[in-house]
Amino acid sequence: GDSVTQMEGPVTLSEEAFLTINCTYTATGYPSLFWYVQYPGEGLQLLLKATKADDKGSNKGFEATYRKETTSFHLEKGSVQVSDSAVYFCALGRRALTFGSGTRLQVQP
Amino acid sequence: SAVISQKPSRDICQRGTSLTIQCQVDSQVTMMFWYRQQPGQSLTLIATANQGSEATYESGFVIDKFPISRPNLTFSTLTVSNMSPEDSSIYLCSVAGDNQETQYFGPGTRLLVL
Repeated sequence: GDSVTQMEGPVTLSEEAFLTINCTYTATGYPSLFWYVQYPGEGLQLLLKATKADDKGSNKGFEATYRKETTSFHLEKGSVQVSDSAVYFCALGRRALTFGSGTRLQVQP
Repeated sequence: SAVISQKPSRDICQRGTSLTIQCQVDSQVTMMFWYRQQPGQSLTLIATANQGSEATYESGFVIDKFPISRPNLTFSTLTVSNMSPEDSSIYLCSVAGDNQETQYFGPGTRLLVL
C-alpha cells in the first residue's frame, strides 16, 4: 500500500538558515504529493502541492519538486523565519490522503 | 478553497459518554473525510462521509464506535461513542477541492476524555 516517510524531528534552526525536510514515498503510479503545515494550536493548512513528476510546488518561499526517480518530495526554504515554526506533514493523495509522521521545525531568533 | 468550520472546537468529556462533532462547509462538495490525530502523531483517516449512503470506514474503525452522518453536500457529523481516554485526539474534517486532488481541512476539534 501507499506510505510516506519523513525525516524525524525536531529540526532546530537559526533564523535565516536553509531548511530541508526530507520526504520519500512508496506508491503505485504517480499520485499527487502535498506538504501541509500545522501551526501551534491550529488545523492543517495546505502549503504546496505537485500533481505530476518534475512539477515544482511553491508557496511562501517554500519549494518542493516531485522526483519520480528518487520517489521524493523534499521541502526546502532558503531562509527560515521564527514564524515558520510549526509541524510539517508530507502527504500522498488519491481518494484520501496518506500522511507522513510529521516534522516539527523550531526556528530560533 | 472552501471555508470549513467545526463545532465544538474543543471539549472535555467523561469516559462512557458520546460526543458529536459537526463539520460545515460554505459550498457544496462531493467528498468529505474525517481524520484523527492522536497526541503527537500524524493524521489517520477514519472514514469517507458519503452523501446519501453509509460512510466508508478504514481498517480499524467501525460504525458503532464512529457513526457518521452526511445529510447534504455541505454538512457532516462524526460521533465518538462510548468514549475512553484513548479517544483523546484532534478530530479533523476535510473536503476535496473541485479537482478532487487537493483536500482542505477544518480547524479541528480537540477532545480530551477523562
